[in-house]
Amino acid sequence: DAGITQSPRHKVTETGTPVTLRCHQTENHRYMYWYRQDPGHGLRLIHYSYGVKDTDKGEVSDGYSVSRSKTEDFLLTLESATSSQTSVYFCAISASGGTGELFFGEGSRLTVL
Amino acid sequence: DQQVKQNSPSLSVQEGRISILNCDYTNSMFDYFLWYKKYPAEGPTFLISISSIKDKNEDGRFTVFLNKSAKHLSLHIVPSQPGDSAVYFCAASLWEGAQKLVFGQGTRLTINP
Repeated sequence: DAGITQSPRHKVTETGTPVTLRCHQTENHRYMYWYRQDPGHGLRLIHYSYGVKDTDKGEVSDGYSVSRSKTEDFLLTLESATSSQTSVYFCAISASGGTGELFFGEGSRLTVL
Repeated sequence: DQQVKQNSPSLSVQEGRISILNCDYTNSMFDYFLWYKKYPAEGPTFLISISSIKDKNEDGRFTVFLNKSAKHLSLHIVPSQPGDSAVYFCAASLWEGAQKLVFGQGTRLTINP
């Protein structure tokens, strides 16, 4: 199994509060991703990173920011959480030069009240 | 605009029979397709993939078929086993190794004993 750890695994917060989700990998893979999973939408890409300090937006990036200061860590921040950001968040990694296959973490369930 | 669509939210199949999961896509530029399997409270895991230069790829009990003219792919599981009960996501990318995948909404497969 790919070494991916997400924290926290579960979080309940209130509207308007900041939230940071962390993804940590031990595989030294170049690419890291944040997806959210919602009923009826499948998995949608929020942001991804192609190297330290190199990030780009996905299809649902509004309201989210990311940072990658080390190869192994990719942080997802909700500056001011809203109820529409209640979701399950998955981090994924992939190696450069590969087939595009993603390895996913176990997910972080976020509830915004 | 959903570029990858799985129009069946759920499918129920008897153990030992064939399971057929379908996926349609709208972007004719997609060139590489993948299937992922997801159990509850776990991250998705890669199952099988196919490049557009092929129309079929097999891996044990799993076969993926691609019909480019119809923009349609399907996953066949034969014979179906109880452990196959999961949510299945199809995904597409612009080329093999492309780092951004677009996912469908998922199909929940239930294998009945």
